Amino acid sequence: AQSVTQLGSHVSVSEGALVLLRCNYSSSVPPYLFWYVQYPNQGLQLLLKYTSAATLVKGINGFEAEFKKSETSFHLTKPSAHMSDAAEYFCAVSERKTSYDKVIFGPGTSLSVIP
Amino acid sequence: NAGVTQNPKFQVLKTGQSMTLQCAQDMNHNSMYWYRQDPGMGLRLIYYSASEGTTDKGEVPNGYNVSRLNKREFSLRLESAAPSQTSVYFCASRRGGQGSGELFFGEGSRLTVL
Repeated sequence: AQSVTQLGSHVSVSEGALVLLRCNYSSSVPPYLFWYVQYPNQGLQLLLKYTSAATLVKGINGFEAEFKKSETSFHLTKPSAHMSDAAEYFCAVSERKTSYDKVIFGPGTSLSVIP
Repeated sequence: NAGVTQNPKFQVLKTGQSMTLQCAQDMNHNSMYWYRQDPGMGLRLIYYSASEGTTDKGEVPNGYNVSRLNKREFSLRLESAAPSQTSVYFCASRRGGQGSGELFFGEGSRLTVL
């Protein structure tokens, strides 16, 4: 069964510093992978997704993620944190089996940005 | 541009009461989902429906039932609410069929069971 782990339930960075949020997945075959962001009291919105077209994926707001099959990882990065990046970030995985279409989320990482 | 609409937004129940959370999407999506969000647990999948007429259990289905009424609507029912079901519930949908599509979320329904 597929699963997602996110190392670090809470990450704090200084404004302008590198953001690194970790995501590892467990799946029998490389799945589709997603990063979603949730701002306070809102629903989730897509940051970026990996669908096998390219291992380095660029998303909105300057975020990007790299798929590494050997490490079963899909870590999210941003070179320079902004105050507006403070939010909850979720990694998600979806199998490539069209008959199921299940989407499983990790436990999330709360990002704080310190002025 | 309604997207995914959930009702009610807030609800307080007493233990043992029943209720139904309604969800509707206007994007002609095939797949619909119900998640619950609890602090430190992320989003956990309760049930999902890959197409009209089909439903499947997710990670935490116990205590819940669902109905895919038609392509647009997917309801979640609590037959006998328990305090452990206090949570924020999110409905989501996506085009489906390939596994690579983006999920679109409703605004959430905050449920408190006393």
